[in-house]
Amino acid sequence: NAGVTQTPKFQVLKTGQSMTLQCAQDMNHNSMYWYRQDPGMGLRLIYYSASEGTTDKGEVPNGYNVSRLNKREFSLRLESAAPSQTSVYFCASSRNQKYEQYFGPGTRLTVT
Amino acid sequence: EDQVTQSPEALRLQEGESSSLNCSYTVSGLRGLFWYRQDPGKGPEFLFTLYSAGEEKEKERLKATLTKKESFLHITAPKPEDSATYLCAVQVLLQSNQFYFGTGTSLTVIP
Repeated sequence: NAGVTQTPKFQVLKTGQSMTLQCAQDMNHNSMYWYRQDPGMGLRLIYYSASEGTTDKGEVPNGYNVSRLNKREFSLRLESAAPSQTSVYFCASSRNQKYEQYFGPGTRLTVT
Repeated sequence: EDQVTQSPEALRLQEGESSSLNCSYTVSGLRGLFWYRQDPGKGPEFLFTLYSAGEEKEKERLKATLTKKESFLHITAPKPEDSATYLCAVQVLLQSNQFYFGTGTSLTVIP
């Protein structure tokens, strides 16, 4: 099992450009999450999907959109990137919302 | 306001020198407390879940304990390969969608 996979691993964008971060899990988990991790701050939840067909905002959703494409895949879109979105982005999944989360390897995004 | 604080921010130990990391929390109701290990450039790796005060979990040189206000991650006779950042997260009762993460303790074990 690959667990949680994310693409790309690294990305550099210019202000105003758009991109989509991809995430997939092969553990048959129902819930999926997107976090960002910044120096000196804990992981912060951007959006989550409790189950296929549902998505909800987390702590820091502004500037992002998500799509739960199917049970395996959960994508994060930046419509118009800003320097404040420079961060490391992690996707995670869990059996359901009550259980521990398993994380992907992360995407390091720089917006200039 | 729900809050998670980890201390110390950084810890350097000699190989074999046991110590403890602290995670203190203030939440309206605790559903679960989670410990993760994160290596540089990688995603957090799940270690333990604790649900109630008095509960303990062990894995190799690591032992996690929980009280009503804090959790400790005890590291016994650490080895250099235990060097990593250790994160704790709390899940709030009735808000099971939300995990609040601490900023972590960076552990370095010197041979």
